[in-house]
Amino acid sequence: GNSVTQMEGPVTLSEEAFLTINCTYTATGYPSLFWYVQYPGEGLQLLLKATKADDKGSNKGFEATYRKETTSFHLEKGSVQVSDSAVYFCALSSRNNDMRFGAGTRLTVKP
Amino acid sequence: EAGVAQSPRYKIIEKRQSVAFWCNPISGHATLYWYQQILGQGPKLLIQFQNNGVVDDSQLPKDRFSAERLKGVDSTLKIQPAKLEDSAVYLCASSLNRGAVNYGYTFGSGTRLTVV
Repeated sequence: GNSVTQMEGPVTLSEEAFLTINCTYTATGYPSLFWYVQYPGEGLQLLLKATKADDKGSNKGFEATYRKETTSFHLEKGSVQVSDSAVYFCALSSRNNDMRFGAGTRLTVKP
Repeated sequence: EAGVAQSPRYKIIEKRQSVAFWCNPISGHATLYWYQQILGQGPKLLIQFQNNGVVDDSQLPKDRFSAERLKGVDSTLKIQPAKLEDSAVYLCASSLNRGAVNYGYTFGSGTRLTVV
């Protein structure tokens, strides 16, 4: 079945460092891919999405490119801030629109 | 627009008791989902509704969990009887889907259930 695997955390970075969180997926057909973010004490928020191969999703300085050849959707940000500290979830959605999530990666950014 | 509303925000019950959670999706969103998020894990789909019909409930423990979506709007998720392993955050989400493309869900803040 469809599934998502993302890099295990936690990840700790200094402010202004470069961030990469790896995500790979297994799916039949052409799923849509997402990154969600969960700030402490809050619900899940959609961060960015890509609905077809080679699409690049971007938001708040974060980017991810849908790579069908490597079945990946890695999340990147050039310069992280303390306010980016959160748990990040990679997810995919299949034809019937259900969403499958990875286990989440906790990011802590230190000043 | 108003977000997905969930209540209660927190609930503590003893094992073998029953509990119910309520969700009101974004107006016009035909699809509604209930997820279970155990601490340190990603959300796991319990049930998916399209209007008031069930699309997928394959991961719902039907011996103790039930859900309904009356009139295709509000939804209620019930656990009876609760077990210790049901301690989790229960998330409701809704989506507006166009054709075969999913444009993403909007999640509520969740209900944190603690079973003691």
